[in-house]
Amino acid sequence: QQPVQSPQAVILREGEDAVINCSSSKALYSVHWYRQKHGEAPVFLMILLKGGEQKGHEKISASFNEKKQQSSLYLTASQLSYSGTYFCGTERGRQGGSEKLVFGKGTKLTVNP
Amino acid sequence: DARVTQTPRHKVTEMGQEVTMRCQPILGHNTVFWYRQTMMQGLELLAYFRNRAPLDDSGMPKDRFSAEMPDATLATLKIQPSEPRDSAVYFCASGLRGNEQFFGPGTRLTVL
Repeated sequence: QQPVQSPQAVILREGEDAVINCSSSKALYSVHWYRQKHGEAPVFLMILLKGGEQKGHEKISASFNEKKQQSSLYLTASQLSYSGTYFCGTERGRQGGSEKLVFGKGTKLTVNP
Repeated sequence: DARVTQTPRHKVTEMGQEVTMRCQPILGHNTVFWYRQTMMQGLELLAYFRNRAPLDDSGMPKDRFSAEMPDATLATLKIQPSEPRDSAVYFCASGLRGNEQFFGPGTRLTVL
């Protein structure tokens, strides 16, 4: 039930691009993306909802393929501040008010000067 | 600058002792989540509340863990008795239904 993230780790130089993928074996209602820096709490980046609605930060882009239960996070022109571990959290549905998120194991992104 | 606060930030205790972690959600948020993070398991949802009512605690070991919201400004997570395998970082998060979750700084628990 835990979504699978790939790659597990990626190292970039400043200015390079990266794509982080999140895949689930179950039908999804939404996908949430968070970034966590070492020793800190996860911080919200984006929500992608079934039907195409997105909520998030302007400088982050992502896609959600409902049929394939896959989401991708696109980091372009990376900056040193992008370094951290990126988690996707998947939501199966909202029946009965449930909005449980199951998080993947994370993708560690390192951006070097 | 509204933030989720958690106390204590660090806790070292011996096996068998009771541990209580506290969380103050952001004022106005109606949903509160408790997560546990370990290297092996990652970020796991333990329990969550909406409008102070427990909605799901299926992620919590029922025999030793309990979570409550005595009022809208306080959520608690208790472990009794604690075991070494409970060592982890425990995060509280709050939000409004269907929107982003704001995480607190976490409580780093070490059970010897």
